[in-house]
Amino acid sequence: GNSVTQMEGPVTLSEEAFLTINCTYTATGYPSLFWYVQYPGEGLQLLLKATKADDKGSNKGFEATYRKETTSFHLEKGSVQVSDSAVYFCALKATNAGGTSYGKLTFGQGTILTVHP
Amino acid sequence: DVKVTQSSRYLVKRTGEKVFLECVQDMDHENMFWYRQDPGLGLRLIYFSYDVKMKEKGDIPEGYSVSREKKERFSLILESASTNQTSMYLCASRTTGAPGNTIYFGEGSWLTVV
Repeated sequence: GNSVTQMEGPVTLSEEAFLTINCTYTATGYPSLFWYVQYPGEGLQLLLKATKADDKGSNKGFEATYRKETTSFHLEKGSVQVSDSAVYFCALKATNAGGTSYGKLTFGQGTILTVHP
Repeated sequence: DVKVTQSSRYLVKRTGEKVFLECVQDMDHENMFWYRQDPGLGLRLIYFSYDVKMKEKGDIPEGYSVSREKKERFSLILESASTNQTSMYLCASRTTGAPGNTIYFGEGSWLTVV
């Protein structure tokens, strides 16, 4: 079946530090890949996505590149801010044999990021 | 902006009670989903609905049922709540049209079963 594995958290960084959150996946076919962010007390928001190999998703200074050869979609940011403190989820949407998936997402376990001033 | 509204943010229920969690979306989306979120486990799909009156089991449907009588509303039902159903429940919706891949989430419902 499909699965997503994220690096263990929590991750604690100082402001302006470099961030990497690792994400690897297992899926049949050609999944789309996503990063969602959940700020305290809120639901999930789409942060960025990539729908095919070698695509780079980017938003708010965050980036992730879809690497089919390593089945990875690592999240990076060059300089984090206190306001980036949140839980980050990597997810995939697989396409079934009939070509439809109804948007079902498979999530990783989430990584808690805390950024200190 | 797309809005997915979960009517109850915080609920406390007793073991054995029947619990209804309601979700409404205002963008005429065909697909709707119920996930539960637990620390260290991420989000797991309980049920989804690809259109009105259509539903399919997700990865962890046991102990839950759903209802989708109208396109905008998707209800999650716990027939007899148990303490292991204490969790955060997230509703989501998506259109099958462009920009089809984006899934929108509600703010979540924290359920405590005592």
